[in-house]
Amino acid sequence: QVQLQESGPGLVKPSQTLSLTCIVSGGSIISSGYYWSWIRQHPGKGLEWIGFIYHTGNTYYTPSLRSRVAMSVDTSKNQFFLKLNSVTAADTAVYYCARDHSTSPHFDSWGQGTLVTVSS
Amino acid sequence: SYELTQPPSVSVSPGQTASITCSGDKLGNKYASWYQQKPGQSPVLVIYQDTKRPSGIPERFSGSNSGNTATLTISGTQAMDEADYYCQAWDSSTHVVFGGGTKLTVL
Repeated sequence: QVQLQESGPGLVKPSQTLSLTCIVSGGSIISSGYYWSWIRQHPGKGLEWIGFIYHTGNTYYTPSLRSRVAMSVDTSKNQFFLKLNSVTAADTAVYYCARDHSTSPHFDSWGQGTLVTVSS
Repeated sequence: SYELTQPPSVSVSPGQTASITCSGDKLGNKYASWYQQKPGQSPVLVIYQDTKRPSGIPERFSGSNSGNTATLTISGTQAMDEADYYCQAWDSSTHVVFGGGTKLTVL
């Protein structure tokens, strides 16, 4: 049973870069057929997909965040990463990493989520 | 961009059947998934590929998808099913899209 866990600073200053790590255990990040996604949830709101990365490094980002997002992967450590630059208070949210099936996109494994607050 | 629309709230009495809808243009031509999220917890996949249940999800959860509407049905609803439910689909323009969520109240 694959497990995911997010880690990173819980507080980021406005205009700086939010950086998060997702550690994958119980399965290999290079398993074929899976994408690795970041999803966020603003306080009291719904889910917003940010983008995904494949183990080869191929990425796709949601259009609304594309100019500020970068994802990367370290297959040797079974981890993938999120960077979101020029953050504002509107980026305050719980950030989840999740495993996504490439053939019929759905998220079968989620991390526990990490709250990131953007504030000076 | 592609959008999915859900009712903000649905109420059901214990033991009755709850139906939560998700509407989108030609949604029936895409795969729909459903997630359950309880307060303070991560979402849990309850239905994928329109009708399939992951292992460990009770049989009372079922799904359908046709035309412009996908539906999550919970038969014999229990108090433990009270949660927020989100539909999700994939579209070539926006890739992954979520519905706005429906709060299911069991009263």
